[in-house]
Amino acid sequence: EPEVTQTPSHQVTQMGQEVILRCVPISNHLYFYWYRQILGQKVEFLVSFYNNEISEKSEIFDDQFSVERPDGSNFTLKIRSTKLEDSAMYFCASSVISYNSPLHFGNGTRLTVT
Amino acid sequence: ILNVEQSPQSLHVQEGDSTNFTCSFPSSNFYALHWYRWETAKSPEALFVMTLNGDEKKKGRISATLNTKEGYSYLYIKGSQPEDSATYLCACQTGANNLFFGTGTRLTVIP
Repeated sequence: EPEVTQTPSHQVTQMGQEVILRCVPISNHLYFYWYRQILGQKVEFLVSFYNNEISEKSEIFDDQFSVERPDGSNFTLKIRSTKLEDSAMYFCASSVISYNSPLHFGNGTRLTVT
Repeated sequence: ILNVEQSPQSLHVQEGDSTNFTCSFPSSNFYALHWYRWETAKSPEALFVMTLNGDEKKKGRISATLNTKEGYSYLYIKGSQPEDSATYLCACQTGANNLFFGTGTRLTVIP
């Protein structure tokens, strides 16, 4: 069964550094998402992406964050200047359509900012 | 931000017991209710997506119901097995491209 893959599984970075989290969504899916979970808290929506542009973003997704689908298969999340509070598990997800369609999640990237 | 609540936070049951847990959400602007099963070190796996008041869905020993008027959904597991041990997440979709998740119910089935 096709699955969403994320790399790396764990990323450690110093505060102020840029990180890029990578995802390969399921090939026939049209909607792509990033979510994150800070330890002990709820899974939070960051951004959704459709037709090569952001369709929705949360308050968390400020100017330090960006997403890109550079080559038709990868979907990346970039954090320009990481902060301690960016430490979290970041999940990529994809779906066939946006409404009434389950999300398929990757295994996540655990980002640790020191 | 939508406040989605799940209860209980954690639950221990004996193998063979049936169990259920609750997800509550604001009933205004509701579009869909999702349930996911999340095993440790794996990705959340979709169980059900429900949209209509009174919806009932079933997958094997797991079933779910939806009441959009009062803003709750129940997940039932019949005859729990150790492999059912996981965190069960519900998420509410309000018509936009995002989901608001609850904190999850962590189920442990004791052999």
